[in-house]
Amino acid sequence: DARVTQTPRDKVTEMGQEVTMRCQPILGHNTVFWYRQTMMQGLELLAYFRNRAPLDDSGMPKDRFSAEMPDATLATLKIQPSEPRDSAVYFCASGSGLTGHTEAFFGQGTRLTVV
Amino acid sequence: KQEVTQIPAALSVPEGENLVLNCSFTDSAIYNLQWFRQDPGKGLTSLLLIQSSQREQTSGRLNASLDKSSGRSTLYIAASQPGDSATYLCAPLGSARQLTFGSGTQLTVLP
Repeated sequence: DARVTQTPRDKVTEMGQEVTMRCQPILGHNTVFWYRQTMMQGLELLAYFRNRAPLDDSGMPKDRFSAEMPDATLATLKIQPSEPRDSAVYFCASGSGLTGHTEAFFGQGTRLTVV
Repeated sequence: KQEVTQIPAALSVPEGENLVLNCSFTDSAIYNLQWFRQDPGKGLTSLLLIQSSQREQTSGRLNASLDKSSGRSTLYIAASQPGDSATYLCAPLGSARQLTFGSGTQLTVLP
């Protein structure tokens, strides 16, 4: 049963601490997205990788957020230092090529609470 | 920049009704459009993918249509059931190969 796996599912941390979220895309998928979901803003694109190369991270606050793909089976999103306004659900999605006939699949998300 | 609007924002119907959810987008240069379902506290589940060259796609009681030139898609749910209660999101895949999401339609089907 192929699925996108995100860890941790829930994270509570204190302001100023570093947070790392991990995503395992579906095996063979070469496209990975990071989205953030809040009640106010809905789903916002933070970063987008194809073949492990970052193609667009314009939606990400560069001073504190960073996204990487150390290898094809792992994508990471790091926040340092974290702030209360970063509290949200962070979703990872993967797809294969993402042409007209391929779809994106989402993980269950990481719910981040910064206190 | 792609903008996606979903109407209505919320909908409450009695069980058994047929209903239509609307999605409009500003940039018609898309590869495809996906409809997702999101249950409270859960991730997004892909329901239907409709390619830019297609006009309709069906899966069970769900039917999605796409009019790319006018920037519109509709999701039709036949014979609604309480288990259909969820938030429905549409997301066109644009020329930059990115999914842009609407705010969703929150559907409640009453028994």
